[in-house]
This record gives sequence, structure tokens and C-alpha cells, in this order.
Amino acid sequence: EIVLTQSPDFQSVTPKEKVTITCRASQTIGSSLHWYQQKPDQSPKLLIKYASQSISGVPSRFSGSGSGTDFTLTINSLEAEDAAAYYCHQSSSFPLTFGGGTKVEIK
Amino acid sequence: EVQLVESGGGLVQPGGSQRLSCAASGFTFSSYEMNWVRQAPGKGLEWVSYISSSGSTVYYADSVKGRFTISRDNAKNSLYLQMNSLRAEDTAVYFCARTLLLDYWGQGTLVTVSS
Repeated sequence: EIVLTQSPDFQSVTPKEKVTITCRASQTIGSSLHWYQQKPDQSPKLLIKYASQSISGVPSRFSGSGSGTDFTLTINSLEAEDAAAYYCHQSSSFPLTFGGGTKVEIK
Repeated sequence: EVQLVESGGGLVQPGGSQRLSCAASGFTFSSYEMNWVRQAPGKGLEWVSYISSSGSTVYYADSVKGRFTISRDNAKNSLYLQMNSLRAEDTAVYFCARTLLLDYWGQGTLVTVSS
């Protein structure tokens, strides 16, 4: 099983600040890494696919990078509406797995 | 517009059974692989099961293998999860999600396993 280790678990950030969330895979997964945003009482929403590919309708302040085992989600100029939990997910092999999540709070 | 609507959740006793459904619309259901993903209260996301577009290939998380069965009816644009021998640790919101990308999700249905 591929274990995804996300960090940090929690981040308190002021608006307009830059947020960086990392996801490390226990073995190489190429670019089969995707990022999701989940707001309270909502279902997750796909933000970034295949490590760095943007999703239609997602604000351009969200970007992803990385390949192999190390990946990063960056939120440039954080907005109040970005308060949420963020998860990484790998689709390289079964069982599909998720990172533990990062909760982003707005100061 | 892609829509996934889960139903069938509720309160069930330990050892009991429950069948979840996911009604799909807005896309050609028979062409897409599907998944069930769950989220225990206050916890993170856990993948549960996968089914290929034809239904010929399925996979399960070890935590549910032998107890849960995923299936689909492409004529009815519907996905199912039959859950047997339920345990307290199966208490969660269950989401259906499309493709390995999990590009679209339903709103979820809550299953509570408790006596």
C-alpha cells in the first residue's frame, strides 16, 4: 500500500499569505497525485489533477508541482473562502490512498 | 451537469446490513469507472471500493474486504454498495465518486452503526 504523508496537519494563515502543503509518497507514483479541497459539511472538490494540471473553474491561485514521491500544493494570496481541509490522493495503484489532510484556518 | 446522488444511509445495528445507492446523471455512466469513499466523523477520507465501467473488475480496501460488495446497473445509471456484518468503525459518510481521479463526488449519505 502506498502511504501518503501530508504536512502540516494544520496551518493558520492571514489573508493574502502564501500557503504550501506537501505530500510525500512512500514509493514512486509518477504524476498520479491529485489534490482536493473540502469545506465543512461539503463533499471534496478536485483542485489539481496529475500533480500539476489545473481544473476548469478552479481559481488560478491554486497550483501543484512535483513528481515521483514529493508533491506540493500552493495557494498564492490566500482568500477567506479558502478555509478548508486539503487532501492529496494517489491513483497509481490499488488500494487508492489519501493523505491525512491539512486544515487551513484563516487568522 | 454531472450529478451523483447517494441514498440508503441510516442507523443500523452492529452485525447488520445496509445497501447504499448512487444515482448518476449528466454523463454516460456506462463509460466511467466508479468508487465509494468514506469519511468517519471528524476524520479524513478513506477509499472503500472501485468498480470498472463494465463491472467486470472490482477492488476493495482491506478494511471492508469480504463484508462489502460493490456493483452497478448501467441500464439504471446506478452504483451500489452492499454492506454486511457492519461494525461501529464503519460509521461514516459514504460518498460515491467518479473515475480514479475522483473528479466528481456526491453529497454523501451517513451510515451510523450503533446499538
